Amino acid sequence: GESVGLHLPTLSVQEGDNSIINCAYSNSASDYFIWYKQESGKGPQFIIDIRSNMDKRQGQRVTVLLNKTVKHLSLQIAATQPGDSAVYFCAENAGSARQLTFGSGTQLTVLP
Amino acid sequence: KAGVTQTPRYLIKTRGQQVTLSCSPISGHRSVSWYQQTPGQGLQFLFEYFSETQRNKGNFPGRFSGRQFSNSRSEMNVSTLELGDSALYLCASSLIGVRTEAFFGQGTRLTVV
Repeated sequence: GESVGLHLPTLSVQEGDNSIINCAYSNSASDYFIWYKQESGKGPQFIIDIRSNMDKRQGQRVTVLLNKTVKHLSLQIAATQPGDSAVYFCAENAGSARQLTFGSGTQLTVLP
Repeated sequence: KAGVTQTPRYLIKTRGQQVTLSCSPISGHRSVSWYQQTPGQGLQFLFEYFSETQRNKGNFPGRFSGRQFSNSRSEMNVSTLELGDSALYLCASSLIGVRTEAFFGQGTRLTVV
């Protein structure tokens, strides 16, 4: 039979508004985090990364916040544009592991 | 600077066959990782190569294997294909390993019939 797909959280925002996408991680040893954007039919695109010695990092129109106490990561997108519509993944790495562990993703839809 | 290049983009194979996928990393990048993406399981780590050596392997059966060449290009092979192997296979390259920025290719869409 068909496999059940992952239930992706969805976020719909009006064009021009700010978006906040959240991610919870479970490995307290994780100390490096990346946000990726994936558009339909494409590979994940690197957006921004942050190391655990920081709690905030800013890029162009994006800000990542890291709260190690509650193991939470967020991506803020300012002035959201139609081209921002995509699935957003957070990924984590723990120092001893040579791999990224990905969250299930959030589908962002920008409304006109 | 060219990005990560994966070939082929699409493949259709029959159950029981084997397949080889190729990944050319960004120039100067020495680490190549492979991931499988499916609607049911999301993005799952397959293996990572650095300086021609497999440094880490995910929880996949031995039918999944890979290698890296001296120019950092990597190939992954799946033998005795099963229907459940249908997925988007993604390659990521980074300078020295996953603790630096990792950039993905467009992926190879494998369909097993």
